[in-house]
Amino acid sequence: NAGVTQTPKFQVLKTGQSMTLQCAQDMNHNSMYWYRQDPGMGLRLIYYSASEGTTDKGEVPNGYNVSRLNKREFSLRLESAAPSQTSVYFCASSEAGFAYTFGSGTRLTVV
Amino acid sequence: QKEVEQDPGPLSVPEGAIVSLNCTYSNSAFQYFMWYRQYSRKGPELLMYTYSSGNKEDGRFTAQVDKSSKYISLFIRDSQPSDSATYLCAMTSSGGSYIPTFGRGTSLIVHP
Repeated sequence: NAGVTQTPKFQVLKTGQSMTLQCAQDMNHNSMYWYRQDPGMGLRLIYYSASEGTTDKGEVPNGYNVSRLNKREFSLRLESAAPSQTSVYFCASSEAGFAYTFGSGTRLTVV
Repeated sequence: QKEVEQDPGPLSVPEGAIVSLNCTYSNSAFQYFMWYRQYSRKGPELLMYTYSSGNKEDGRFTAQVDKSSKYISLFIRDSQPSDSATYLCAMTSSGGSYIPTFGRGTSLIVHP
């Protein structure tokens, strides 16, 4: 039972490069989320998908795009990475709204 | 003022101590209250949640909600070094998208 799987676990990008963070869940959850976690800032919601086929902006969506590929997969794309996007990114899924299952995170450094 | 306030710590206690972790909030619409535990370099995991006011117990952990004071607590009895982690409170209202508002987390260190 894998739960929520995120790839890659670590990534270093140069400013201006693009990349896609992948997330997949095997719990048949309807809702999926992308958060970033920074020291002193806590968890901040980037985008979420309440159900397959829908996506909505969270608290800090600028510089990111998302795709809900199917019920299992929810990807986060950085089109032109900036140093301010250096962070730890967590994907989560839920069935009961607030009761999240998180992935183990992607540590991204933009130089 | 953030909607949810949580002291970042660190809170350092000896093994076997009773630990009290707390959050205050300002939004009276919050109805669901959650505690997540996050080990270093891992994702948060849901420890327990309560609905509205009252207490909920699960083994060595007790969650308490005081809606009149807008104050929630997590108590850990007989703390163990394996309890060393960051504890995040989170809360949400019962309507809408249920997306929780998280506290910034309290770092707990239990030393042998």
